[in-house]
Amino acid sequence: KNQVEQSPQSLIILEGKNCTLQCNYTVSPFSNLRWYKQDTGRGPVSLTIMTFSENTKSNGRYTATLDADTKQSSLHITASQLSDSASYICVVGDRGSTLGRLYFGRGTQLTVWP
Amino acid sequence: EADIYQTPRYLVIGTGKKITLECSQTMGHDKMYWYQQDPGMELHLIHYSYGVNSTEKGDLSSESTVSRIRTEHFPLTLESARPSHTSQYLCASSGKGGNEKLFFGSGTQLSVL
Repeated sequence: KNQVEQSPQSLIILEGKNCTLQCNYTVSPFSNLRWYKQDTGRGPVSLTIMTFSENTKSNGRYTATLDADTKQSSLHITASQLSDSASYICVVGDRGSTLGRLYFGRGTQLTVWP
Repeated sequence: EADIYQTPRYLVIGTGKKITLECSQTMGHDKMYWYQQDPGMELHLIHYSYGVNSTEKGDLSSESTVSRIRTEHFPLTLESARPSHTSQYLCASSGKGGNEKLFFGSGTQLSVL
């Protein structure tokens, strides 16, 4: 069964600290892995998209890594800011259909305290 | 910056009412989607469209219907709302490639009393 599991479910850190969020997936055949940031009451916003051949991609203070062999990804946030408080969603796409089906994780709820 | 808009942002209605959630995008995207999201849960695809006059049901069974008469417009309709329809509805669009970025609207929070 194609699944995306994220950990931790929630995380609280102090402003300025770094943190790493984890994503494990069983989606096959794999096409791409995406990280989204979703502020409360808003739609998700894309942070990174990685394909099979990419093992790291950065977007400002966000750095995503991908290990397609172990089917794991992480999102590292550097020097956190209060505005980083949000849910971070891992999404994995397959290439087994013309739709390019996307499988969503439940997200990690990050809270940054001053 | 995403150019995809949803209205209304919030909607509170009584059981049995007919409602239409609006979604429009100005990016010329062929692919459009409707997702449903409950608090703390993953997004579930309920409808998608590859282009004008093309609509398909997604993975999550839904009593809603959609139409795609124009490229930029993808409204979702509930003929008779029930409390079980209370949820957040997110519209999204993407370009033609398989790895294209998905752009989301801000969502409609629907509450059916």
